[in-house]
Amino acid sequence: AQSVTQLDSQVPVFEEAPVELRCNYSSSVSVYLFWYVQYPNQGLQLLLKYLSGSTLVKGINGFEAEFNKSQTSFHLRKPSVHISDTAEYFCAVTKVSGTYKYIFGTGTRLKVLA
Amino acid sequence: KAGVTQTPRYLIKTRGQQVTLSCSPISGHRSVSWYQQTPGQGLQFLFEYFSETQRNKGNFPGRFSGRQFSNSRSEMNVSTLELGDSALYLCASSLGPVDSNQPQHFGDGTRLSIL
Repeated sequence: AQSVTQLDSQVPVFEEAPVELRCNYSSSVSVYLFWYVQYPNQGLQLLLKYLSGSTLVKGINGFEAEFNKSQTSFHLRKPSVHISDTAEYFCAVTKVSGTYKYIFGTGTRLKVLA
Repeated sequence: KAGVTQTPRYLIKTRGQQVTLSCSPISGHRSVSWYQQTPGQGLQFLFEYFSETQRNKGNFPGRFSGRQFSNSRSEMNVSTLELGDSALYLCASSLGPVDSNQPQHFGDGTRLSIL
């Protein structure tokens, strides 16, 4: 069975500083990986996805993530954050084939400080 | 293009009652999934419907049920409400079944409070 671990429940960072939100997954089969963002009182919005091919994936709002199969990681990065990036970020995984189940991590709350 | 629409946005019920939540997917999307989001448990998958058929179900009691109509709109029903059912219920739609690697598009959710 797959699982997703987001090690950091909260990450405070100053505006214009870089940030990395960590995501590790566990699966015995090939997976698709996603990052979603949730602003207060809203649903989730897709930031980026890794399906296959290049391991560096670029998403919206200047975010990018790198798929590392050997370390089973899919960390999210942004070189310079803005106050508006304050939100909760979720990593998700689903199997490439077979009976799927979309598994979400527990989320990382990013707090950008002025 | 309109996004995923969930109604109502907020709902207050008492224990023992039942509730029906509605989700209208993005036009053309045939897959609708439901999730329960709580501070303690995070996002938990409830079930997915594709072309009016339930394809997969999460680990929730039978009090939680759903259905999908021919126009892809979906409803979720919870009977005999318990205090622990208080949560944000999120609906997500995608073009194809979730295992077709199509990303999911989420609505803003229905916040259900049980008194």
